[in-house]
Amino acid sequence: EAGVAQSPRYKIIEKRQSVAFWCNPISGHATLYWYQQILGQGPKLLIQFQNNGVVDDSQLPKDRFSAERLKGVDSTLKIQPAKLEDSAVYLCASSLERGLAGGYGDTQYFGPGTRLTVL
Amino acid sequence: DAKTTQPTSMDCAEGRAANLPCNHSTISGNEYVYWYRQIHSQGPQYIIHGLKNNETNEMASLIITEDRKSSTLILPHATLRDTAVYYCIVRVAYNTDKLIFGTGTRLQVFP
Repeated sequence: EAGVAQSPRYKIIEKRQSVAFWCNPISGHATLYWYQQILGQGPKLLIQFQNNGVVDDSQLPKDRFSAERLKGVDSTLKIQPAKLEDSAVYLCASSLERGLAGGYGDTQYFGPGTRLTVL
Repeated sequence: DAKTTQPTSMDCAEGRAANLPCNHSTISGNEYVYWYRQIHSQGPQYIIHGLKNNETNEMASLIITEDRKSSTLILPHATLRDTAVYYCIVRVAYNTDKLIFGTGTRLQVFP
């Protein structure tokens, strides 16, 4: 089974520039998450999709960050304009729509992440 | 905020058991203890979860105290590839809610 795919793996930009990240979840996974991980910290949720609808975007800085999940499959996360403090690893994860009692239906599977450096 | 407390770092000799503790004194009755780990330059990986009984799978064992206020993740025969940051997370099981990560325990396995 293929895992969660993300691209690019690394990106270096200057502040005030724009950047976009792409995620392809595991086939059949209805729920998709974007997490931000700053160096030395655990990942923090930015936005969660259920199919192509937003479930939780309470921690997303909406003045500069946007995300979409067209057709309920792939997703893109965009930052415009970037700030120095946006330097982090951006992780995409996916899971099944519902947890299965006694199983691992709610397990979140993570991609390798995109490391963003803002200069 | 994370509901768990873990040591910042631990060392373990290769081939020995690694015992990673976690305190979760405010855990609710319907919350499970989950463990994920993150190897350098990779995304977090699910390890195991449990409610109150001890659990074991091919990766690890999870021991939860009777009062459920703490738990221990056991890697029975640690290898160099187990070097990673280990996260203990408390959450309601079998739903798709976000994971709330703390800073985890950095486990260094040495030869």
